[in-house]
Amino acid sequence: DAKTTQPNSMESNEEEPVHLPCNHSTISGTDYIHWYRQLPSQGPEYVIHGLTSNVNNRMASLAIAEDRKSSTLILHRATLRDAAVYYCILRDSTSGTYKYIFGTGTRLKVLA
Amino acid sequence: DVKVTQSSRYLVKRTGEKVFLECVQDMDHENMFWYRQDPGLGLRLIYFSYDVKMKEKGDIPEGYSVSREKKERFSLILESASTNQTSMYLCASSGTNFETGVSSYEQYFGPGTRLTVT
Repeated sequence: DAKTTQPNSMESNEEEPVHLPCNHSTISGTDYIHWYRQLPSQGPEYVIHGLTSNVNNRMASLAIAEDRKSSTLILHRATLRDAAVYYCILRDSTSGTYKYIFGTGTRLKVLA
Repeated sequence: DVKVTQSSRYLVKRTGEKVFLECVQDMDHENMFWYRQDPGLGLRLIYFSYDVKMKEKGDIPEGYSVSREKKERFSLILESASTNQTSMYLCASSGTNFETGVSSYEQYFGPGTRLTVT
C-alpha cells in the first residue's frame, strides 16, 4: 500500500489561509487522494478528495501536483473551529476494497 | 444526515473479559469498518465488512473478531481482553447514498469508544 507523509503539526493565525502539505511519492495512477479531519473528541470527518485535477468544495480546496507525488489541502480562511488533526489518505480504486490507510496526520493549531 | 452510533463512549473492563463493542448506522450502508486509534500511530484498520455476514481482516486483526448479522449493525469482539487493547475504537460506514443512488467511498465515523482494560 502506498504511504503518505505529513508534518506532525502546524500553526496558523485565525482568518489566514492554511496550506497543509502531504507527500505520497509512491502513489500509483489509480490511487485517489482523500483528506479527513478529526476535531477534538470526535471521529474523523470527510473534507475532500481528488485524483488528478484540483478540487474545490465548501470546506476546502485540494491542489494536486502534476506528478501526483504530493498534494496540498488549502483552508482559505482558518477559524478556531478548524483546529483539528488533518489526515491525508490514499485509496486504491482498483483493489475492489473500500479501505483507507490512515497516517498519523497533521495537528493544526489556530491562533486567535 | 448519516448517523453512526457506538454503544458506549467509555468502557472499563478487566483483563480476560470478553468485550463487545457495538456500532449501528442508519444509512443502509453496505460497508462498515472498525479502527483503533493510538497516540503516535494514527488510525489502524482492524476489520471491515462489505455485506451482511461478510468480513475481511484489516491490518491488525489479531485478538479481535467481528460479527455482522444485520446490515445496520457491526460488532467488534475482544475474546479475552488484554491491557494492550486499551485504546480508542472507532466505527465507520460507507456505501450508496440512498437519496442520489450514487455509491461513495466517503466514510462516516461514530464518536468512538474509549476502552480501558485493567
